[in-house]
Amino acid sequence: EAQVTQNPRYLITVTGKKLTVTCSQNMNHEYMSWYRQDPGLGLRQIYYSMNVEVTDKGDVPEGYKVSRKEKRNFPLILESPSPNQTSLYFCASSPLYDSSYGYTFGSGTRLTVV
Amino acid sequence: DAKTTQPNSMESNEEEPVHLPCNHSTISGTDYIHWYRQLPSQGPEYVIHGLTSNVNNRMASLAIAEDRKSSTLILHRATLRDAAVYYCTLTGAGSYQLTFGKGTKLSVIP
Repeated sequence: EAQVTQNPRYLITVTGKKLTVTCSQNMNHEYMSWYRQDPGLGLRQIYYSMNVEVTDKGDVPEGYKVSRKEKRNFPLILESPSPNQTSLYFCASSPLYDSSYGYTFGSGTRLTVV
Repeated sequence: DAKTTQPNSMESNEEEPVHLPCNHSTISGTDYIHWYRQLPSQGPEYVIHGLTSNVNNRMASLAIAEDRKSSTLILHRATLRDAAVYYCTLTGAGSYQLTFGKGTKLSVIP
């Protein structure tokens, strides 16, 4: 089944403790992206990647890092999480960017930073 | 970036058609109109997209105004499983961002 897989689904952590949220897609998509969703703010893009070793900032990149060493994987790294990063995170992928294709989203990771 | 405007919420009776409107008056000539929906506790799900002509797929139909400044997502027979937040978004050629607004929360009444 074509899908985007995120892990973990739920995570509670403490301020300052480094964490990684994994994202993997099995559709050979070149474009991948991370979003966060907060009540009243909608979906906001954190980082995106157009291909292996090519990443760029979205609207809200502060406090996050990403890497794209393999085409299928696009992990989101929080080096020193803070409570304002408590949010619902989604990974998405799409074929090499083409406005005529839709995005496939993962099921989400609910992160709580205390 | 081109913006979209949608009603905050709508209600529909089960098995009746639903027309979800979206205004995008600043759309550019190369912007595609995409619709996604998000069911409770799930990630957004692609529904349909179009450029100029009306489009149909197994999930829905998309009606695009002649001037492209508005569009309507049509669910032909609403079911309880269609209760979700529906997002209308524009994606332009060369753009690498997918921006969602607050969407329309659709409630389906049995």
